Amino acid sequence: AQSVTQPDIHITVSEGASLELRCNYSYGATPYLFWYVQSPGQGLQLLLKYFSGDTLVQGIKGFEAEFKRSQSSFNLRKPSVHWSDAAEYFCAVGGGATNKLIFGTGTLLAVQP
Amino acid sequence: DADVTQTPRNRITKTGKRIMLECSQTKGHDRMYWYRQDPGLGLRLIYYSFDVKDINKGEISDGYSVSRQAQAKFSLSLESAIPNQTALYFCATSEGQGMVGYTFGSGTRLTVV
Repeated sequence: AQSVTQPDIHITVSEGASLELRCNYSYGATPYLFWYVQSPGQGLQLLLKYFSGDTLVQGIKGFEAEFKRSQSSFNLRKPSVHWSDAAEYFCAVGGGATNKLIFGTGTLLAVQP
Repeated sequence: DADVTQTPRNRITKTGKRIMLECSQTKGHDRMYWYRQDPGLGLRLIYYSFDVKDINKGEISDGYSVSRQAQAKFSLSLESAIPNQTALYFCATSEGQGMVGYTFGSGTRLTVV
């Protein structure tokens, strides 16, 4: 079955600390992988996506993610977190004939001063 | 103007009422999708459409119907709203293949009382 797992429901980090959000997927075909961010009361903003090629993907706001096929993972990282990064983060996988996206349940990030 | 526009942005309705959520796009994309977001569950696919004559159920279509009035318009209806349909609803569009240009609307927050 196709699925996305974000094992951390809630993470708290200190401002300036590094961040890694985990994402594991199960997908039968070649996956297209996405990270979205949602601030409270807002819509979804695309942070980055992986389609093919270099497995380290750079996104907006200083985020990056690494695709590891052998581990079925697509973890999101940021070297130094800012208070404005507090939000909910969603990993998603898609592709195939339908272009449906399958989302993880999200990780809520809190940033301590 | 936004590429994918959802109306209304917020709506409160009573149990048993019929309600329609509308989505229009200027992307020229053939494929359109309706997703529902619930806290702790991420986004789940309700319906999707490849063109005006091609409508498909997603994973949670019970209690919903859709209409693709034109390439640019895709409406979601709740024939008889119930409280557990209270959620944030997103419309999305994509090009024909390969997840290119996947674009979300800003969402409609629906409350059923």
